[in-house]
Formats: sequence, structure tokens, C-alpha cells
Amino acid sequence: DIQMTQSPSSVSASVGDRVTITCRASQDISRWLAWYQQKPGKAPKLLIFAASSLQSGVPSRFSGSGSGTDFTLTISRLQPEDFATYYCQQANSFPPWTFGQGTKVEIK
Amino acid sequence: QVQLVQSGAEVKKPGSSVKVSCKASGGTFSSSAISWVRQAPGQGLEWMGGSIPILGTVNYAQKFQGRVTITADESRSTAYMELSSLRSEDTAVYYCARGSPAMDFWGQGTLVTVSP
Repeated sequence: DIQMTQSPSSVSASVGDRVTITCRASQDISRWLAWYQQKPGKAPKLLIFAASSLQSGVPSRFSGSGSGTDFTLTISRLQPEDFATYYCQQANSFPPWTFGQGTKVEIK
Repeated sequence: QVQLVQSGAEVKKPGSSVKVSCKASGGTFSSSAISWVRQAPGQGLEWMGGSIPILGTVNYAQKFQGRVTITADESRSTAYMELSSLRSEDTAVYYCARGSPAMDFWGQGTLVTVSP
């Protein structure tokens, strides 16, 4: 199975900050990567697919980049509603689809 | 707008089975991939398996092979996930989600508690 490693595991930031989360795959997954946001007690929400394509309805302050084994999710100007846990998911090798362990974005 | 509505919370004894349902509306159920993802308390997301009803294909994560069964009733636009031989480590919220590989619509989650 492909292992996905996110860093950092948590980050403290303030409203208006730029936040970058990294996801590394254990092998080349081309651009087959998705990012999700999850708030406490809620289901995950798809933000980005195919490494950099913004899901419909997702604010443009979210962006994704990368290919191969290294990927990033950037929130350009953090908003109060962005405090949540973010997960990457590889979509290249199936089964199984595998997720990173999550990155919690907390209020500084 | 696609909606996935899951069945309610369950409390089960170790060794028993649980069957969770996921009813879809607002989309084309039979041609959509449906995945099942679980999340143990305070933990991350874990893909268990998925199906595409119109193709009759089902895939499972190796970890759950032999214990999980994913089915679909196209006439009811409903997918099911049954997990057997439950143990305490199976206590989790179980989600259904549409789409593959990226999952764009999710159910609200079903809490399954395994307790003696």
C-alpha cells in the first residue's frame, strides 16, 4: 500500500496568515492526490482533486500543487472557518485509497 | 444536489455484526462509485472498500478482507456495509462517500460502538 505522510501534524496560525501543509507519498502517484477538510463532528469535505483542481464551491484562498511524491496545500489568508483538520488522500493505486494522518490547523 | 443519508448509531457486542446503510438522492446512484471510510475516535480516515453498482464491482482494503461486505440495492438507491466479528477496535464513525478516486459527497456518518 502507498503510505501518505503529512507535515506538520499540527500548526498554530492567526487569521490572515498563510498556511502550507505538506503531503509526501511513499511512491510516485503522478497528480492523483486529493485534499479534504474536516471539522469536529462533521464529515470530510473535498477541497482539491487531481493535486491542484479546486472543487466547486471551495474558496480560491485554497490551492494545491505538486506531483510525483511531494504535494502541498496552501491557504493563502486563513479565515476563522478554516480552523479544522486537513487530510491528503492518494488516488493513484487502488485498492486501497490511503490517507495521510491529518494536519490540525489551530488558532494561535 | 447529491445527498447521502446514513442509518443511525448502533451499539454492538464483540463478535457480532453490524450493517450500515447509505441512501443516495439527487444523483445517478448506479453509475456512481460509493466508498466506505471509517474514523476511530480521535484518529484519521481509513478507507475500507468501495463499489460501483452498475458494474457490479466491489473492492476491499486488505485489512478488512473477509470481515466486510459491501452491497447495493439499485432499486432503493442504497448502499450497505456489513462488518462482522466486531471487536472493540471497530468502534468508530463509519462514512459512506460518493466518487472515486476523489470523494465529493459524504454521508453524515454512523457511530458504531462495540462494547461488552
